[in-house]
Amino acid sequence: SQQGEEDPQALSIQEGENATMNCSYKTSINNLQWYRQNSGRGLVHLILIRSNEREKHSGRLRVTLDTSKKSSSLLITASRAADTASYFCATLLTGTASKLTFGTGTRLQVTL
Amino acid sequence: DAGITQSPRHKVTETGTPVTLRCHQTENHRYMYWYRQDPGHGLRLIHYSYGVKDTDKGEVSDGYSVSRSKTEDFLLTLESATSSQTSVYFCAISGTGTNEKLFFGSGTQLSVL
Repeated sequence: SQQGEEDPQALSIQEGENATMNCSYKTSINNLQWYRQNSGRGLVHLILIRSNEREKHSGRLRVTLDTSKKSSSLLITASRAADTASYFCATLLTGTASKLTFGTGTRLQVTL
Repeated sequence: DAGITQSPRHKVTETGTPVTLRCHQTENHRYMYWYRQDPGHGLRLIHYSYGVKDTDKGEVSDGYSVSRSKTEDFLLTLESATSSQTSVYFCAISGTGTNEKLFFGSGTQLSVL
């Protein structure tokens, strides 16, 4: 079974709105990362948050981590059509050096 | 794509034939990974390498083998391809493997008929 599960599976919003995606995981982690994938392309790293951190920002991205609830959220503010892509969370489990486990992804559609 | 080249980009093969996918990097990164991506499953780790000749299994390693004879090259071999191995295969690299982001190649679309 998947370590990380994103919610929702698909999200459709209009340009300018905020998009929030959630990720839940099952076991203790070292860090959690978010990646983006445009159709037909490889994944691109967006942001990494460590287990002792609660919030990180990068441009229009805001990531939170709640280790007590084993969950993370990715907020994209003021979305653009170019943000249309699939977004994946990935977890580095405690004690499993170097093996990232990916979730099933959220498909985001931003319309004009 | 951060100096990562996957070849071939597309391949169609028949059940029972061996297939080798190649990942080549120019970043001199220590860690290299092979993932497969299937609808509804996200990305699943097949094998990874933490140095020349040092490899380990991921969660879906059955039916696959890997080799790394040089830092820059990581080969994935399907010993006898099956239709269930039809997938998109991604190679990724990282510098330290822990607390480090992965850089991904563009993927190989493999169809086993």
